[in-house]
Amino acid sequence: QKEVEQNSGPLSVPEGAIASLNCTYSDRGSQSFFWYRQYSGKSPELIMFIYSNGDKEDGRFTAQLNKASQYVSLLIRDSQPSDSATYLCAAPTGANNLFFGTGTRLTVIP
Amino acid sequence: DARVTQTPRHKVTEMGQEVTMRCQPILGHNTVFWYRQTMMQGLELLAYFRNRAPLDDSGMPKDRFSAEMPDATLATLKIQPSEPRDSAVYFCASGPAGLSRGQPQHFGDGTRLSIL
Repeated sequence: QKEVEQNSGPLSVPEGAIASLNCTYSDRGSQSFFWYRQYSGKSPELIMFIYSNGDKEDGRFTAQLNKASQYVSLLIRDSQPSDSATYLCAAPTGANNLFFGTGTRLTVIP
Repeated sequence: DARVTQTPRHKVTEMGQEVTMRCQPILGHNTVFWYRQTMMQGLELLAYFRNRAPLDDSGMPKDRFSAEMPDATLATLKIQPSEPRDSAVYFCASGPAGLSRGQPQHFGDGTRLSIL
């Protein structure tokens, strides 16, 4: 089992809808989680991190963490075409490193 | 605005040639990572360093790849000899200590490598 797993998609949503991206992880000891966004041909950039159970909101983005279910998600409200990208979920190891999921490709249709 | 700097941005060479990729981490960051990204495998960790010491290079083919950090401002990744299957985008990232509390890695723009 991979450390971090994501549905590779592609996920298509209409403009203005809510996009829901999901990630599961295997290490129950993981304490924090990161969401990176990667535009085609560009490098990953951090958009959210979360380390407490529950929701964390930042603008149109909400990260949700459920440690009991080992599940972390990213919701994008009022999706815009500029949100079209690949979203990578990452969880740290105990050795100051990150495991990355393979990413979910999101397309927001105008 | 602090950034991770990678050179070259693009490299095209013939198989069998040596390839050297360079990375300047963000000043003050003590951890440096090398990743390879392909469509099939996604983002794979090749090696990483903390305080210039190699901590893990298990993701790197040892027979042809080598990673070093000669000083705190320079990390290198070498492939010798290169093969077509090494074609990928290679990212360098750096980060401060403390990933467990939301300290992120910052990525460079990557080196797009094509081995013919």
